[in-house]
Amino acid sequence: GENVEQHPSTLSVQEGDSAVIKCTYSDSASNYFPWYKQELGKRPQLIIDIRSNVGEKKDQRIAVTLNKTAKHFSLHITETQPEDSAVYFCAATSGAGSYQLTFGKGTKLSVIP
Amino acid sequence: NAGVTQTPKFRILKIGQSMTLQCTQDMNHNYMYWYRQDPGMGLKLIYYSVGAGITDKGEVPNGYNVSRSTTEDFPLRLELAAPSQTSVYFCASGQGVLTYTQYFGPGTRLTVL
Repeated sequence: GENVEQHPSTLSVQEGDSAVIKCTYSDSASNYFPWYKQELGKRPQLIIDIRSNVGEKKDQRIAVTLNKTAKHFSLHITETQPEDSAVYFCAATSGAGSYQLTFGKGTKLSVIP
Repeated sequence: NAGVTQTPKFRILKIGQSMTLQCTQDMNHNYMYWYRQDPGMGLKLIYYSVGAGITDKGEVPNGYNVSRSTTEDFPLRLELAAPSQTSVYFCASGQGVLTYTQYFGPGTRLTVL
């Protein structure tokens, strides 16, 4: 089955700096890669996603890049703000055409004012 | 739309007791999922359903059962609760077919003592 590794497990940045979280996946047939943000005590919420036929996608301060050859994808947050502090999870579909997601273990991002 | 709702929000069980976690969605999604989230870990898939009457095991199904009699409801049954089932349980739903996006419920925090 699919295996998703996520690094780092914790990340602290100064407000205004950039943050980068990286994930690798094992199944070359995976074709969809979402990122979820989970605030303390809340549900995971989708913040951005990318499909395998796209190399990069941006949404304001958030961007995701995908390298299918190397089987890794990354989340980039620019101009970080205190409200970006949360746990971020990457995920990958478990095989082409599958609607199951395999999640990474999460990255706890702390933005220091 | 209420989206995905879960009840109860919190529950304490004694070892050996049973209970049902309720999940309902009003988005007419075919796909529904149950995850558990342990501290410091990602989300692990317990069971999923691709439509009414169809369910299948995920990564960690032992000790759980599900049913899907309607499109809206996807209850998770715990039989003979064990301390290892102490976790936060999230239900999610997705349209499938055209999109892989999953929408999460608010979660149920379960403690087994």
